[in-house]
Amino acid sequence: KQEVTQIPAALSVPEGENLVLNCSFTDSAIYNLQWFRQDPGKGLTSLLLIQSSQREQTSGRLNASLDKSSGRSTLYIAASQPGDSATYLCAVLYNFNKFYFGSGTKLNVKP
Amino acid sequence: GAVVSQHPSWVICKSGTSVKIECRSLDFQATTMFWYRQFPKQSLMLMATSNEGSKATYEQGVEKDKFLINHASLTLSTLTVTSAHPEDSSFYICSAREASGAGEQYFGPGTRLTVT
Repeated sequence: KQEVTQIPAALSVPEGENLVLNCSFTDSAIYNLQWFRQDPGKGLTSLLLIQSSQREQTSGRLNASLDKSSGRSTLYIAASQPGDSATYLCAVLYNFNKFYFGSGTKLNVKP
Repeated sequence: GAVVSQHPSWVICKSGTSVKIECRSLDFQATTMFWYRQFPKQSLMLMATSNEGSKATYEQGVEKDKFLINHASLTLSTLTVTSAHPEDSSFYICSAREASGAGEQYFGPGTRLTVT
């Protein structure tokens, strides 16, 4: 059974700090892995997509890595800002159709 | 980037009535669309996968007669919650995958359903 776990469930940091969000998955036969941001009461915003053949992807202050063999992905946020406060979801795609979501990490960046 | 819209963004209905939610891909064709449900402070759970022109595939535990899905065109899928009950109150999010591309899914903004 595919399971996606995110640690920590919640994180509060002062502005400017670098931080790492963790995602682990039980089945390494993934198609791709995607990181999303969700603001309260809103839909999902795609941040980064990593194909199974890739090791990492970068976009601005965000860097996502993927280690399929160990079933792990990390999302690195550099120089955090209050506007980064949101819930971050990791989702793993199997068989081109089955998308399994983690329970999310709720991030609060304090000014 | 690819845009997916949902309508309505929120809806309140009475128990026993039905409500339809639309999901549209605005600038691309989506052969496959997905419907998710999210309870407060929980993550998204896939309800069903719909392919244009064919019947939807429902996840285990999802009642297909209660949650009717129609994917009549490459840009539109609809979810109808029939005979709604208060426990159906939730946040419903759709996503669409381009017919071509890397398999990235684009998500709609969600629909908040409240059944009174």
